[in-house]
Amino acid sequence: GAGVSQSPRYKVAKRGQDVALRCDPISGHVSLFWYQQALGQGPEFLTYFQNEAQLDKSGLPSDRFFAERPEGSVSTLKIQRTQQEDSAVYLCASSHGLAASTDTQYFGPGTRLTVL
Amino acid sequence: AQKVTQAQTEISVVEKEDVTLDCVYETRDTTYYLFWYKQPPSGELVFLIRRNSFDEQNEISGRYSWNFQKSTSSFNFTITASQVVDSAVYFCALSPYNDYKLSFGAGTTVTVRA
Repeated sequence: GAGVSQSPRYKVAKRGQDVALRCDPISGHVSLFWYQQALGQGPEFLTYFQNEAQLDKSGLPSDRFFAERPEGSVSTLKIQRTQQEDSAVYLCASSHGLAASTDTQYFGPGTRLTVL
Repeated sequence: AQKVTQAQTEISVVEKEDVTLDCVYETRDTTYYLFWYKQPPSGELVFLIRRNSFDEQNEISGRYSWNFQKSTSSFNFTITASQVVDSAVYFCALSPYNDYKLSFGAGTTVTVRA
């Protein structure tokens, strides 16, 4: 299909390891978002890209979290020195335009990260 | 800051019953959008409806309907004649006008039994 895809779907990491989560947005979508969803909670905003520019990273919980989208398409969320509190589902979303209020965000299936 | 509250944690119904999901929100913005998303067991959030704060007209789309009341800051969602495939977690969300951030509630798990 032509939806948002994410890989891997599941990732188990030992505490202290680095991980990289990949997102392939819908082709042609300008905006890309990362959200973190803790167990039993709603998604929480992490960061926003407009093409290759990271315009907002206010939701990243610490400097261990880093996201990039170098060519304005695929994005990678990297977590360094993982901690147990990083265990969550990481959701990627993309939208055609620039603002959530007028432009639907389409979500991928998420990557479930478990840190042991 | 935005806040979305979904007081119902879980709802269980028998197939063909109607299900109403409550959503209450807080915002200082005068214009904003409200959303409902569905998250089936597969994990991806599926967009269902969007409503702007300018228009309080309630609508029906197939088996879905919503009741937006600005005076009580509520945006309730109803599934009519529920089906087993409706079993999922449903999230209410809010975004200020021309903003890209979605603020989600904690979700309501709906289980429809055959």
